[in-house]
Amino acid sequence: GENVEQHPSTLSVQEGDSAVIKCTYSDSASNYFPWYKQELGKGPQLIIDIRSNVGEKKDQRIAVTLNKTAKHFSLHITETQPEDSAVYFCAASLGSNFGNEKLTFGTGTRLTIIP
Amino acid sequence: GAGVSQTPSNKVTEKGKYVELRCDPISGHTALYWYRQSLGQGPEFLIYFQGTGAADDSGLPNDRFFAVRPEGSVSTLKIQRTERGDSAVYLCASSVEGGSPLHFGNGTRLTVT
Repeated sequence: GENVEQHPSTLSVQEGDSAVIKCTYSDSASNYFPWYKQELGKGPQLIIDIRSNVGEKKDQRIAVTLNKTAKHFSLHITETQPEDSAVYFCAASLGSNFGNEKLTFGTGTRLTIIP
Repeated sequence: GAGVSQTPSNKVTEKGKYVELRCDPISGHTALYWYRQSLGQGPEFLIYFQGTGAADDSGLPNDRFFAVRPEGSVSTLKIQRTERGDSAVYLCASSVEGGSPLHFGNGTRLTVT
């Protein structure tokens, strides 16, 4: 089955600086890669996703890049703000061919923004 | 509109007891998923419903775990003879259809003493 590794496990950045979180996956058939933000006591919230037919996707301060050859994808947050502090999870699945029903998640990155 | 609703938000039970966890998906969402999240870990897939039927239950850890969705909307996750290792946050998610992004509820924190 799919295995997703995520690094780093914790990340502290100064407010206004950029943050990068990286994930690798093992199943070359995976073609859907969402990122979730989870705040304390809440469920994961989808912040951005990418499918394998594109290499990059951007939504305001958030961007995701995908390298299918190397089987890794990354989350980039620019101009970080205190409200960006949370745990971030990457995930992978077989996507639209089989439905997104079986997401395999990474172990999470606790991002802290230092005011 | 309303998101995915899970009740109760917290459940404490004694080892060996039976528990039921409820999930109300977003109205109109045909696909429903259960995941389990242990402390410091990412969510792990348990079961996926498309409509009333379980399309994939390969993530259920053993036969003490069972889930139903009799009318294609509300779902109940049932755990028999609970064990301390079952303690975790149980997350429910729904999507418009099987190939659409998942929207998660806030979960039920289950503690087995």
